[in-house]
Amino acid sequence: DARVTQTPRHKVTEMGQEVTMRCQPILGHNTVFWYRQTMMQGLELLAYFRNRAPLDDSGMPKDRFSAEMPDATLATLKIQPSEPRDSAVYFCASGPSGGRTGELFFGEGSRLTVL
Amino acid sequence: EDKVVQSPLSLVVHEGDTVTLNCSYEVTNFRSLLWYKQEKKAPTFLFMLTSSGIEKKSGRLSSILDKKELSSILNITATQTGDSAIYLCAVDSNYQLIWGAGTKLIIKP
Repeated sequence: DARVTQTPRHKVTEMGQEVTMRCQPILGHNTVFWYRQTMMQGLELLAYFRNRAPLDDSGMPKDRFSAEMPDATLATLKIQPSEPRDSAVYFCASGPSGGRTGELFFGEGSRLTVL
Repeated sequence: EDKVVQSPLSLVVHEGDTVTLNCSYEVTNFRSLLWYKQEKKAPTFLFMLTSSGIEKKSGRLSSILDKKELSSILNITATQTGDSAIYLCAVDSNYQLIWGAGTKLIIKP
């Protein structure tokens, strides 16, 4: 049963610490998305990769966030330094098509709490 | 600015009732509209709509797009407690997914 795998599922950290979240997309999918979800903002797109190349990270605060795909089986989202306002659920999603349309498969999310 | 608006924001009904959720949009280059269901964890895909007036159906759920009215509805008939979730609407505009805030649906036994 193919699924998107995210780690960690939960992370509690102190302000100023580095946080790294990892995502394994579904094998064969060539688009990968990082989303952040909060009660106030809903789903916000942070970064989008196609064939491992970053195509859109305009929604990501560049001073503290970075997203990479070192290989086709791993996407990472790093926050350094973390702040309390970064507390949210971070979702990774992958898709089988070359564009942004169609069905996305979401991971179960990484719930981040920054104290 | 592209936007997607869902209504109502929340809805409480009794098991067996029929519900209609709404999604309206204003986008620069409409390509498709998608519905997702989010229970406790990740959103899961329900429907993708591209053509006006053609109903998509899956069991008790159905959805239709009205491009003239720039909107879509999601119907759930004979609701069950397992239908309780947040229902998200997203519109693909210029290859960007614009998400609505969601409708939180609660089904009481």
